[in-house]
Amino acid sequence: ELKVEQNPLFLSMQEGKNYTIYCNYSTTSDRLYWYRQDPGKSLESLFVLLSNGAVKQEGRLMASLDTKARLSTLHITAAVHDLSATYFCAVDANFGNEKLTFGTGTRLTIIP
Amino acid sequence: DSGVTQTPKHLITATGQRVTLRCSPRSGDLSVYWYQQSLDQGLQFLIQYYNGEERAKGNILERFSAQQFPDLHSELNLSSLELGDSALYFCASSAGGGGNQPQHFGDGTRLSIL
Repeated sequence: ELKVEQNPLFLSMQEGKNYTIYCNYSTTSDRLYWYRQDPGKSLESLFVLLSNGAVKQEGRLMASLDTKARLSTLHITAAVHDLSATYFCAVDANFGNEKLTFGTGTRLTIIP
Repeated sequence: DSGVTQTPKHLITATGQRVTLRCSPRSGDLSVYWYQQSLDQGLQFLIQYYNGEERAKGNILERFSAQQFPDLHSELNLSSLELGDSALYFCASSAGGGGNQPQHFGDGTRLSIL
């Protein structure tokens, strides 16, 4: 059974600082997705990572994928308050955009 | 706005009852997915339909069933409801068929069982 672990579960950081969220998964996959969720809201797609070594950047967020290590990272640069949210990674182990297995989520709070 | 429409937004009912959640996918998307989000279980995949046919199944209870209609909208039926079924139910859609696009999520239906 595929397991997806994120750490940390909770992250409180000051504005302007850098930090990284880690996503480890237990079986072979070359498709990994990052989503953002604001409290009580829907999930917003952030990044789609489709191959080993893939790197995507959007604003202050950068995601990468190492399929050999079964590890993805979401790096936050110079955090701002608007980035406060819960971030999920999700893995598709079926190579076909079917059943996504989500991580536990990382609740990020940016403190002014 | 993701383009995925879910109704109703909120549903309050009692144990033992049956409810139907509805989802309209984004225009052009053939795949519909249902997920359950709760505090203790996190985000759990329930079931996927592709162009009217069941494609993948997760840990969906036997009391739950779903279908996708010819116009591609989908319904999730939950019966003999229990307190533990209280959760946020999301529908997502994608082009499907092994494409490289993410799943786009609706705003969810919040189900409360009293």
